[in-house]
Amino acid sequence: DGGITQSPKYLFRKEGQNVTLSCEQNLNHDAMYWYRQDPGQGLRLIYYSQIVNDFQKGDIAEGYSVSREKKESFPLTVTSAQKNPTAFYLCASSIGVFSYNEQFFGPGTRLTVL
Amino acid sequence: QKEVEQNSGPLSVPEGAIASLNCTYSDRGSQSFFWYRQYSGKSPELIMFIYSNGDKEDGRFTAQLNKASQYVSLLIRDSQPSDSATYLCAVPNAGGTSYGKLTFGQGTILTVHP
Repeated sequence: DGGITQSPKYLFRKEGQNVTLSCEQNLNHDAMYWYRQDPGQGLRLIYYSQIVNDFQKGDIAEGYSVSREKKESFPLTVTSAQKNPTAFYLCASSIGVFSYNEQFFGPGTRLTVL
Repeated sequence: QKEVEQNSGPLSVPEGAIASLNCTYSDRGSQSFFWYRQYSGKSPELIMFIYSNGDKEDGRFTAQLNKASQYVSLLIRDSQPSDSATYLCAVPNAGGTSYGKLTFGQGTILTVHP
């Protein structure tokens, strides 16, 4: 089955720790995205990547880092510099970056800071 | 002014009624629009894409776009309890931003009661 997988589903972090969220897709999509969702709010873009070895900051990139070494993978690291990391993190991919390209979402990772 | 605005609701309709969800956007240059449905604790899934003025129908769903007035709406006919979810309006490349970026409204919570 084609799709996007994210792991883990739930993640708990102690203050001061860095944690990495995994995102893998087998849809052969070029573009990948990370969004953050807080309760009662829409999604906000953290980082996106149009092609391998290239990525761009979104609206709320501070305290986060990404890499795109393989087409299928786009991991997100939440660093200790992110002051309020508790949120629902969603990874998405699309075949291209045109305005008509649908973005498909993974199941999400819920991160909680203890 | 936010780039994409939705009434957060909650909107409550009886089973079998028409649910009307609205979204306004600020960038006159926006060409296309997505409606996503998000069940509680789950990731968004695409239900409608529209880029032409007028109506687009898909089963019980109708999207309406009025570029002159800068709004896009979603009508759900014969609403069912299974339609209870948060509906997210998303605009690609809003405000002339980089390709591929989706700007989301905060979402409208819909509750369909039996």
